[in-house]
Formats: sequence, structure tokens, C-alpha cells
Amino acid sequence: KQEVTQIPAALSVPEGENLVLNCSFTDSAIYNLQWFRQDPGKGLTSLLLIQSSQREQTSGRLNASLDKSSGRSTLYIAASQPGDSATYLCAVPNSNSGYALNFGKGTSLLVTP
Amino acid sequence: EPEVTQTPSHQVTQMGQEVILRCVPISNHLYFYWYRQILGQKVEFLVSFYNNEISEKSEIFDDQFSVERPDGSNFTLKIRSTKLEDSAMYFCASSYDNEQFFGPGTRLTVL
Repeated sequence: KQEVTQIPAALSVPEGENLVLNCSFTDSAIYNLQWFRQDPGKGLTSLLLIQSSQREQTSGRLNASLDKSSGRSTLYIAASQPGDSATYLCAVPNSNSGYALNFGKGTSLLVTP
Repeated sequence: EPEVTQTPSHQVTQMGQEVILRCVPISNHLYFYWYRQILGQKVEFLVSFYNNEISEKSEIFDDQFSVERPDGSNFTLKIRSTKLEDSAMYFCASSYDNEQFFGPGTRLTVL
């Protein structure tokens, strides 16, 4: 069964810092990996999807990398802002189906002014 | 920008009652999903639906749960006889291919 782990569980940084969130998964036979943002009491917002054939994907100040062989992904946030404060979730689909997402517990990020 | 919508935003019910949670997926999407998140825990997969049938379900999705696409726009999750442990945030999601888009969720409270 695919297990997804995210480190750190929580992170507090001053505004303007660059930061890295980590995600690891146990079964490297993945189709893709998706990063989400979740604000308190709200739904999940898709940030980036990396296909298994890709090594990285960028959207604005966000850059996600994928190393399938080592079972790791990182989400890099450049020049952090208070509005980036949220929980960031990493998810990978089941290897046998390709659709059911397995989520990590998330990294709770606080960016202070 | 198209988005997944869910109703109601909050549902309170008594143990043993039936509830129906409703979702309107993004209009050209082909795959539909339900997930749940118990307070303080991970988001968990319940079921996926494609071509008018269940394509995959988790061990959580037992006989108390059912899904339906009653028309061309709605996708519903029914819990037949709610238990206290069904209290959670329920998220609907849809996708055209690999990227899944989530709705805002329905908070279900079972008393």
C-alpha cells in the first residue's frame, strides 16, 4: 500500500524567505504526483501536477520536483508571503489504478510579516 | 474559471439517519471522486466513478455508502445509516485526465 510522508509537519518563516517542503512515497511506480494547498476549513486547491516522465513543474513562485527512483518530491516556494500561509498536501495515485489519491498529512506553513 | 461545487456546506444529522451529499463536477470532466477528511487526519479516498459505474473503492466505502450520477450534472454520495464516526469533511473531486480538482467540501456532523 502506498504511504506518503511529509516533512516537516509545521514550518514558520518570516516573509520573503525561500522554503522547501518535502514529500516521500513508498511505491515508486507512480503515474504522477500532485501538490495541493488547503486553507483552514476549506477545500483543496490544486497547485501543481507532475507527470511521472517529468522531473519538475513550475507555476509562478512555486516549483515542484520529482525523483521517482528515490520516492521523493519537493515543493519550493520562492519569496514567501503571508498569503502563502496554509497547509500543503502531497498526493500520489494508487499504483494499480492510477486514480485514487493517497495523501500525506501535510505541512502547515505560517509566513509571518 | 470552472469549479466543483458542493451542497450543503454543513449538514447536521442524527445517528441512524440517511444523508445525501451533492456535488456538481466540472462540466467536461469524465472522472468523479469522493474523499473524506476526519478532523486532524489525512484526506482519505472513498470511491471513484467513471462511465456511470464505480471504478474503484476503498475499504471505507462499505454497504452503507452509495454513489449516483442521477443526471448529466450532479454526483451524489448517500450514507444510508449514519454513525458517529462518519462525522468528517466530505470532498467531491473531478478530473478530465490526471489532475483532480476538489470542491469546497461538506462538513457532516453526526449527533
